[in-house]
Amino acid sequence: AQTVTQSQPEMSVQEAETVTLSCTYDTSENNYYLFWYKQPPSRQMILVIRQEAYKQQNATENRFSVNFQKAAKSFSLKISDSQLGDTAMYFCAPSSISNFGNEKLTFGTGTRLTIIP
Amino acid sequence: DADVTQTPRNRITKTGKRIMLECSQTKGHDRMYWYRQDPGLGLRLIYYSFDVKDINKGEISDGYSVSRQAQAKFSLSLESAIPNQTALYFCATSDTGLHEQYFGPGTRLTVT
Repeated sequence: AQTVTQSQPEMSVQEAETVTLSCTYDTSENNYYLFWYKQPPSRQMILVIRQEAYKQQNATENRFSVNFQKAAKSFSLKISDSQLGDTAMYFCAPSSISNFGNEKLTFGTGTRLTIIP
Repeated sequence: DADVTQTPRNRITKTGKRIMLECSQTKGHDRMYWYRQDPGLGLRLIYYSFDVKDINKGEISDGYSVSRQAQAKFSLSLESAIPNQTALYFCATSDTGLHEQYFGPGTRLTVT
């Protein structure tokens, strides 16, 4: 079973600044995917970004980018030019694909990010 | 209209009552999941289903049961609710081979 560690329970930054959320995980698999989900106060879970472990290039999605270090099993999320709407809980979630058709996500405990006006 | 819907959105029930949470999706996905979210614990998988005839236990299935009535519908039941089942419950779907999951709006359940 995978374990996922998000070591920053809470963070806060000024609007327009850049912030990095950390995530480490433990897996014995070689092929897998990693995701960051965002949960704003509305409580909806929203997919932010996806990374395939077999790809060396880090994924980017507008102001969101990741730093994926496969050997270190690290998957951090960088938010550039932070906006008030980025205030949310952020969850790191690697998937496991040890058996075909058995894909599941394991979620970290989350980082509560507050953007200060 | 939302792709993944959950009913009810909020529910207060008493200890010992049977309660069912329902999930419907219009995404055409085969795979459906039930999670619970507790403060400080993230999301934990209760049950999942990869097609209508497939039901699997997740990491915290005790006290819960599920029914996959159709490709689009996946229900979670608490046969005899207890206070420590007070939590936020999410349904999610995914398409075969794509891994990313799409979530419903959640059901806030309180057991008194």
